[in-house]
Amino acid sequence: AQRVTQPEKLLSVFKGAPVELKCNYSYSGSPELFWYVQYSRQRLQLLLRHISRESIKGFTADLNKGETSFHLKKPFAQEEDSAMYYCALSSPTSGSRLTFGEGTQLTVNP
Amino acid sequence: KAGVTQTPRYLIKTRGQQVTLSCSPISGHRSVSWYQQTPGQGLQFLFEYFSETQRNKGNFPGRFSGRQFSNSRSEMNVSTLELGDSALYLCASSFAGLSAAEAFFGQGTRLTVV
Repeated sequence: AQRVTQPEKLLSVFKGAPVELKCNYSYSGSPELFWYVQYSRQRLQLLLRHISRESIKGFTADLNKGETSFHLKKPFAQEEDSAMYYCALSSPTSGSRLTFGEGTQLTVNP
Repeated sequence: KAGVTQTPRYLIKTRGQQVTLSCSPISGHRSVSWYQQTPGQGLQFLFEYFSETQRNKGNFPGRFSGRQFSNSRSEMNVSTLELGDSALYLCASSFAGLSAAEAFFGQGTRLTVV
């Protein structure tokens, strides 16, 4: 069975501080990992995926297969980063089906 | 181009009633997936439809059903509503449903069961 765990429901940092949102997964195979973000009163949107290895809005995430983790990082948090962040997993055989973690509410204080 | 549209945005129903939610995908998208979002359980996959056929199903009781029309619009039905069905229901559309990265989400329908 596939599972995604985000250990922190709430995370609060000050503007300019580094931020790391943790994500661990369990899946016996080669999954595809994603981070989604949901800003207040907006729809859920894709932030980044591990395959593209991009940096979006200053965020990066590295897939660590040994630790089965896909932590999201940003060196200098901004107030506009305040949002709900979801880590998600998709398996090669499940098409567009996503298994989500429970989410981490990030608050960046001025 | 227009995004994924879900109607209605808000619904209040009584326990025991049934409800139908609608999702219009992005033009040209043939796959529609449904998710339930609750504070306690997070986002959980309900089912996926592609070319009018259910292609994937999550772990929900039979009270939750769906269908897809020839224009790719999808409906989700919940019968015999329970208080625990109160949630935000999201749909996501993608061109072929081959990769989750293709998926675009709607704004959701907020269902409250009283």
